[in-house]
Amino acid sequence: DTEVTQTPKHLVMGMTNKKSLKCEQHMGHRAMYWYKQKAKKPPELMFVYSYEKLSINESVPSRFSPECPNSSLLNLHLHALQPEDSALYLCASSLHLAGEQFFGPGTRLTVL
Amino acid sequence: AQKVTQAQTEISVVEKEDVTLDCVYETRDTTYYLFWYKQPPSGELVFLIRRNSFDEQNEISGRYSWNFQKSTSSFNFTITASQVVDSAVYFCALSERRNNNAGNMLTFGGGTRLMVKP
Repeated sequence: DTEVTQTPKHLVMGMTNKKSLKCEQHMGHRAMYWYKQKAKKPPELMFVYSYEKLSINESVPSRFSPECPNSSLLNLHLHALQPEDSALYLCASSLHLAGEQFFGPGTRLTVL
Repeated sequence: AQKVTQAQTEISVVEKEDVTLDCVYETRDTTYYLFWYKQPPSGELVFLIRRNSFDEQNEISGRYSWNFQKSTSSFNFTITASQVVDSAVYFCALSERRNNNAGNMLTFGGGTRLMVKP
């Protein structure tokens, strides 16, 4: 299995909702990442997990809460989001830090 | 601080033309990695190549080739005999190893949108 999967593909939520994005990989990778990508912009790093421990938090607002329950799974919990948080959220994994990152197809999030 | 510049925001070519996408980077580190990713309209970022700073050999993979020149801090990407399926946004990215092993942070360039017309 050489892919990163993300669910759901699309998500529409209100500003008071709580939702979660899920990312999964079965390549034995030990580093996992969340990125946010606005239209016509490059991806921006949000969080990095290495061996299930949070390694980098790029000053992301607390309404985004990452979780790494095991080496194959990465979640992003969303609460009280703003319309400007609407974007494509990409998950990636790499064998180790500094390895090439493989990306999932993304979750397109719309906050109303 | 590191920076990646892709000066061409959009390129339009006709099928079978060759096209080169430029990437210029800035870093103070001697150890770093350079990447190219393709993002088709579906949204998924597809890994194309990784180069480390000590390996200046050019690489060819089918119709794709990459020219890494440390002297000019450039890592350009050429598609030979372009096809409509090559239409996508292409991102060049730079990664530096952090001293505290806190992580591998990719800095992306702004991307180049390539449109290949039949």
